[in-house]
Amino acid sequence: SAVISQKPSRDICQRGTSLTIQCQVDSQVTMMFWYRQQPGQSLTLIATANQGSEATYESGFVIDKFPISRPNLTFSTLTVSNLSPEDSSIYLCSVELPSGSSYNEQFFGPGTRLTVL
Amino acid sequence: SQKIEQNSEALNIQEGKTATLTCNYTNYSPAYLQWYRQDPGRGPVFLLLIRENEKEKRKERLKVTFDTTLKQSLFHITASQPADSATYLCALVRGSQGNLIFGKGTKLSVKP
Repeated sequence: SAVISQKPSRDICQRGTSLTIQCQVDSQVTMMFWYRQQPGQSLTLIATANQGSEATYESGFVIDKFPISRPNLTFSTLTVSNLSPEDSSIYLCSVELPSGSSYNEQFFGPGTRLTVL
Repeated sequence: SQKIEQNSEALNIQEGKTATLTCNYTNYSPAYLQWYRQDPGRGPVFLLLIRENEKEKRKERLKVTFDTTLKQSLFHITASQPADSATYLCALVRGSQGNLIFGKGTKLSVKP
């Protein structure tokens, strides 16, 4: 299994500012994922962040709005830029353990609850 | 585009009964399907995975079925307990990178 921590756990931000969310894993992993969970909705994948390459963004999400860093195999950041109230959501990171463990099972962090005023 | 639906937003049952949650999908033929549990303020926790060539999978009081003809998975919790109260999400794997598509979830409440 993997233990994932996220910082901050929650934040309240002003419109037009940015928030950077950190995700730390207790083991080295190749694939990390960033999700958004809007109120009453399911998880939506924002991007896949692999170490050593550019993040791959899903349809509807762009790098300018959600820049991602992946400097090593245990850490990643997601920045939500130019915040608007529509960005109020829970942001979660997850990892997939290397093959040999459970088949594509993902482990999730506790999430970061963002409120934009 | 691929679509995954969990038929009930909420399900209320009495303690000791079997809870049955439904997950349907369209425009896709997944190799496997996963079920997760999410408690308020927490990230999802993996419960079970079932492959397309498996009809049924069990883990303690949990049972998952997978009908690729109906494009449906059923998730059962037998002898339910109040501690089973949570939101349950089904997810399909899409593509070679292991990206998951999640349903909206079913919020299960087990009354004592």
